Amino acid sequence: QVTLKESGPVLVKPTETLTLTCTVSGFSLSNARMGVSWIRQPPGKALEWLAHIFSNDEKSYSTSLKSRLTISKDTSKSQVVLTMTNMDPVDTATYYCARTPGTTGDLDYWGQGTLVTVSS
Amino acid sequence: SYELTQPPSVSVSPGQTASITCSGDKLGDKYACWYQQKPGQSPVLVIYQDTKRPSGIPERFSGSNSGNTATLTISGTQAMDEANYYCQAWDSSVWVFGGGTKLTVL
Repeated sequence: QVTLKESGPVLVKPTETLTLTCTVSGFSLSNARMGVSWIRQPPGKALEWLAHIFSNDEKSYSTSLKSRLTISKDTSKSQVVLTMTNMDPVDTATYYCARTPGTTGDLDYWGQGTLVTVSS
Repeated sequence: SYELTQPPSVSVSPGQTASITCSGDKLGDKYACWYQQKPGQSPVLVIYQDTKRPSGIPERFSGSNSGNTATLTISGTQAMDEANYYCQAWDSSVWVFGGGTKLTVL
């Protein structure tokens, strides 16, 4: 059974760095073509893709947020970590991690999401 | 950067067919997929690689993609299909979502 679970702070202050962890089970991060993306959704708004890490450790980032994002993984812990620097209230959102099973970009399993509020 | 455009809302009567479009430059040259999201829940993949349904997704969900437009079709729409639907494409290792369409079944 494939599962993904996000964890991290529920509240961060403006200018702080956010660190989120996605813990996966039911598949290995080292499996060929398996990858994990981070996506966020501000309250009442649309989904926004943030970053992706491929099985070969290649990374891809949203053009608009690239300077603030870092994605990494620890295969032994089955974890994918996203850091986002210089947090602002507009970054308040539910943050999801999701799996890509192949090379066609579909996200077949999603975590439950974690709501992060940015406020002083 | 690549963009996908969806209508903000679509309404359908129960039992009728709902069609939700997603437009993007040469979208037909890429794979499109669709997600259903109900309030307070995570998105669920309902169509991938333009036309394929994941296990457990009802047959009334179908998809197509040609030219600049991908379409999600729900035949015999049920009240439980009321949700937000997002299209998504993958372009040069960048994932792009549409703005979402709220499907109302009334």
